[in-house]
Amino acid sequence: ETGVTQTPRHLVMGMTNKKSLKCEQHLGHNAMYWYKQSAKKPLELMFVYNFKEQTENNSVPSRFSPECPNSSHLFLHLHTLQPEDSALYLCASSQGRLGGVAPLHFGNGTRLTVT
Amino acid sequence: QKEVEQNSGPLSVPEGAIASLNCTYSDRGSQSFFWYRQYSGKSPELIMFIYSNGDKEDGRFTAQLNKASQYVSLLIRDSQPSDSATYLCAAFTGTASKLTFGTGTRLQVTL
Repeated sequence: ETGVTQTPRHLVMGMTNKKSLKCEQHLGHNAMYWYKQSAKKPLELMFVYNFKEQTENNSVPSRFSPECPNSSHLFLHLHTLQPEDSALYLCASSQGRLGGVAPLHFGNGTRLTVT
Repeated sequence: QKEVEQNSGPLSVPEGAIASLNCTYSDRGSQSFFWYRQYSGKSPELIMFIYSNGDKEDGRFTAQLNKASQYVSLLIRDSQPSDSATYLCAAFTGTASKLTFGTGTRLQVTL
């Protein structure tokens, strides 16, 4: 496989469930990101990892818990979510941390619905 | 005020015409600018980036940057139905190491 792959593509969960989103990049990049995309809103950066160390947490509620075991894998653990958390969650990677002209390579996203 | 502002559209242009997509930004410290294309149900993909005032051309795409006016645009020449997508503008500020996206402009190229 090439690029950035995310699983699952779709997820429906109740407010009391615990689930995890998975992201894997095959590009040899050192930085990985979680973004949230909601209708009519700009992409919101949630977390940044550089060489598997978290370098940014954009005031994300604790019901979202990231994990980065190595530079190629990124997880987002979800628990006790709210309906307003329903959105498209995008994983991205880049060579070099968010910067200059290093483009982001996005996965296809997980469409999350919280019921 | 939104940090990166785009008209949500839809912007409708006939096939073969020039599509002009516009973006303004509020942070004068923004240094580089990106245009991403996002097809419905798909992830964003980078089309172009620009960091110097003026024009930058790549095939049918031209990015234009005017830092004095805090304005970035993307021109698509000879628009094709396959160009129909949402175009996201993003501004990078190095001092804050921050990449800010606009809400995107939906482009429809009609036959």
